Amino acid sequence: DIQMTQSPPTLSASVGDRVTITCRASQSIDTWLAWYQQRPGKAPKLLIHKASSLESGVPSRFSGSGSGTEFTLIISSLQADDFATYHCQQYKYYPVTFGQGTRLE
Amino acid sequence: EVQLLESGGDLVQPGGSLRLSCAASGFTFSNYAMNWVRQAPGKGLEWVSIISGSSGSIYYADSVKGRFTISRDNSKNTLYLQMNSLRAEDTAIYFCTRHPLEAATIVRFDLWGQGTLVTVSS
Repeated sequence: DIQMTQSPPTLSASVGDRVTITCRASQSIDTWLAWYQQRPGKAPKLLIHKASSLESGVPSRFSGSGSGTEFTLIISSLQADDFATYHCQQYKYYPVTFGQGTRLE
Repeated sequence: EVQLLESGGDLVQPGGSLRLSCAASGFTFSNYAMNWVRQAPGKGLEWVSIISGSSGSIYYADSVKGRFTISRDNSKNTLYLQMNSLRAEDTAIYFCTRHPLEAATIVRFDLWGQGTLVTVSS
C-alpha cells in the first residue's frame, strides 16, 4: 500500500498567517492527490483534487501544488473558519490511502 | 439538496453483524460510484470499499475483505454495507461517500454523509 505522511501533525497558527502543510507519498503518485478539510465532529470536505485543482466554492486562499511524491497545501491568509484537521489522500493506486492528518490550532 | 444520509450504526458484540444504509438524494445516484470510508475514534481516515454505479466493479480494503459486503439499489437511491464477523478494531464512524465518476477508478470523494457510529464491544 502507498504510505502517505503528513507534516507537521499539529500546527499552531494565528488568523492572517500563511500556512503550509506537506504530504509525502511512499512512491510516485503523479498528481493523483486530494486534500480534505475536517472540522471537529463533522465529515471531511473535499478542497482540492489532482494536486492543485480547487473544488467549486472553495476560497481562493487555499492552493495545492506538487507532483510525484511531495505535495503542499497552502492557506495564504488563515481565517477563523480554517482551524480544522487537513487530510491528504492518494488515488492513483488501490487501496486509496490517507495521511494521518494535520491539526491546525 | 444534494446529500447522503447514513443509518444503522449501533453497539454490537464482537463476532456480530450489522447493516449500514446510506440514502442519497439530489443527484442521479446511478451515475456515481459510491464508497464507505471509516474513521476510528481520534484516528485518521480509512477507505473501506467502493462499488461502481452499475455494481459491475467492487473493491475492498484488505482489512475487511471476506467480512464486509457492499451493495446498492439504484431504484431506491440507497447504498449498503453488510458487516459480519465484527471485531473491536472495526469500531469507527462510517461515512458514505460519493466518487464523481460512474467507474471505480482514480477514486476521490466529493460528497460525504454525516457518518454513523459503529461500536464493537462486549
